Amino acid sequence: QAVVTQEPSLTVSPGGTVTLTCGSSTGAVTSGQYPYWFQQKPGQAPRTLIYDTSIKHSWTPARFSGSLLGGKGALTLSDAQPEDEADYYCSLFCSGLRVFGGGTKLTVL
Amino acid sequence: EEQLVESGGGFVKPGGSLRLSCAASGFTFKNAWMSWVRQAPGKGLEWVGRIKTKSDGGTTDYAAPVKGRFTISRDDSKNTLYLQMNSLKTEDTAVYYCASDASWTGNVWGKGTTVTVSS
Repeated sequence: QAVVTQEPSLTVSPGGTVTLTCGSSTGAVTSGQYPYWFQQKPGQAPRTLIYDTSIKHSWTPARFSGSLLGGKGALTLSDAQPEDEADYYCSLFCSGLRVFGGGTKLTVL
Repeated sequence: EEQLVESGGGFVKPGGSLRLSCAASGFTFKNAWMSWVRQAPGKGLEWVGRIKTKSDGGTTDYAAPVKGRFTISRDDSKNTLYLQMNSLKTEDTAVYYCASDASWTGNVWGKGTTVTVSS
């Protein structure tokens, strides 16, 4: 089974920009792996921010965007807000199974 | 509004069984692929498995740690998803979430139900 990798932690300043990445042990991440991004705040269930690499749901703030970057899936947060402090998980479809990354703890400080 | 509500969690001894339910509302359940995802205490998310719609064959797929012990099923007449868990191990202790794989549902998640496996 593929291993999906994420940065364990990142820090961004309020108003700043940060990119979280999602890599695969099998090679470059492609759109055919349908990268998803999820946000989870303490004590809450996850919610889906981005699906199919870059598509946002209606509740996804415009400051979040998804892409493929340097062979990885990427979630870019621009103009970071204090309420964006959370754990972020990506998932990829690998051989028909969904695999989650270990998550990135994002601190806005 | 799309909503998923899990139930059935609890305390069980190793080797025991438990069945979780997930009641769906606010969307056409029979048209959505559905997944179970778990999160052990203080850990990240782990995909458990998925069931497709009956029109797509109703087939299931499972993550390696649960394959052969867990079974996902659905009752479209009741808008309900199930997770039958057998031969439970201490490492199955987690919050179990059901989630819709269908983007047109907003990929909605439930709030989760807690399963504790301990002697």
